Amino acid sequence: DGGITQSPKYLFRKEGQNVTLSCEQNLNHDAMYWYRQDPGQGLRLIYYSQIVNDFQKGDIAEGYSVSREKKESFPLTVTSAQKNPTAFYLCASRSPGQGRRDEQFFGPGTRLTVL
Amino acid sequence: EDKVVQSPLSLVVHEGDTVTLNCSYEVTNFRSLLWYKQEKKAPTFLFMLTSSGIEKKSGRLSSILDKKELFSILNITATQTGDSAVYLCAVEGNDYKLSFGAGTTVTVRA
Repeated sequence: DGGITQSPKYLFRKEGQNVTLSCEQNLNHDAMYWYRQDPGQGLRLIYYSQIVNDFQKGDIAEGYSVSREKKESFPLTVTSAQKNPTAFYLCASRSPGQGRRDEQFFGPGTRLTVL
Repeated sequence: EDKVVQSPLSLVVHEGDTVTLNCSYEVTNFRSLLWYKQEKKAPTFLFMLTSSGIEKKSGRLSSILDKKELFSILNITATQTGDSAVYLCAVEGNDYKLSFGAGTTVTVRA
């Protein structure tokens, strides 16, 4: 089955620790995205990548870092510089320009809690 | 910076009512507008709109885009309790960047 997986589903970390969230897709999509969602709010874009070895900052990139060494994988690191990291993190992928199959597919999300 | 504004923020209706959700946007080099439904998990895709005036329909849901006035509406007719969710609007601009609005929370009461 094709899809996007994120792990772990729930993650707890202590203040001051870096943590990496995994995102893998086997849909052969070129573009991948990371969003953050806070309670009662929409999705805010952290980073996105259109192609391997390239990525761009979204609207709230401070305190986060990413890599895109493989087409299938787009891990997100939440660093200790992120002031308020507790949130629901969603990874997504799509193949822009593919017409009707152009929609963005979302992973199941990772809920990060900083203790 | 790209901007997507959804209204209302929330609404409560009774089963059988019709709801209309609004999404206005400002984006550089508009490519498409997408609607999603989010329940207690990841968003699920509803529609993608690229052309003005062409209505997209899926069952009781429909959506239309006005590229001149920079907005889209999502209609849900004969609402059911299963329609209760957050409805998200997203706009694609430069470099395939997708920006989301804050969402509209719809509550359908039996």
